[in-house]
Amino acid sequence: GEDVEQSLFLSVREGDSSVINCTYTDSSSTYLYWYKQEPGAGLQLLTYIFSNMDMKQDQRLTVLLNKKDKHLSLRIADTQTGDSAIYFCAETLSNFGNEKLTFGTGTRLTIIP
Amino acid sequence: NAGVTQTPKFRVLKTGQSMTLLCAQDMNHEYMYWYRQDPGMGLRLIHYSVGEGTTAKGEVPDGYNVSRLKKQNFLLGLESAAPSQTSVYFCASSPPDGYEQYFGPGTRLTVT
Repeated sequence: GEDVEQSLFLSVREGDSSVINCTYTDSSSTYLYWYKQEPGAGLQLLTYIFSNMDMKQDQRLTVLLNKKDKHLSLRIADTQTGDSAIYFCAETLSNFGNEKLTFGTGTRLTIIP
Repeated sequence: NAGVTQTPKFRVLKTGQSMTLLCAQDMNHEYMYWYRQDPGMGLRLIHYSVGEGTTAKGEVPDGYNVSRLKKQNFLLGLESAAPSQTSVYFCASSPPDGYEQYFGPGTRLTVT
């Protein structure tokens, strides 16, 4: 079955880069996602990557995908206090991209002033 | 657009009571989902719907029922609440040709 794993906690100093890691088990994943959950709120899509890509960059965010190792990472450059949140990686086997996501446990990112 | 809204925001139930959580979306999305979020376990899919009048089971459907009588609404019912159903429940919706699920703000349910 599908399983997505993440570390539960990460602390980073303000201004440093944050790297949040995720491993998944299903090599048939078509899309992989990073969602952000701020306190008391629902999840919001940060970025996604198609399985035939190795890297995607979007302003301060860089996503790296290693299909051989089934490893996904999210790098946030110049981390700010507003980046404090829980970050979820997710995968889908669907060709349509948004059906039946399987979420990881979430990584709580804490920013140290 | 309000996006995805959930009613109520908070609820406390006694074991054995029943209730219905309402999810509404105004984006004309075909797909809708109900998840539960528990500490250290991420989000788990309870039920989902790919269109009005259709529903399907997700990863953890036991103890829950759903209905999608109108395209914009997706109801989650707890027939006989149990303490194990204490959780935060999230509804989401998505178009069939997009990449994003849009989430509601969540309902925090406590069963005593």
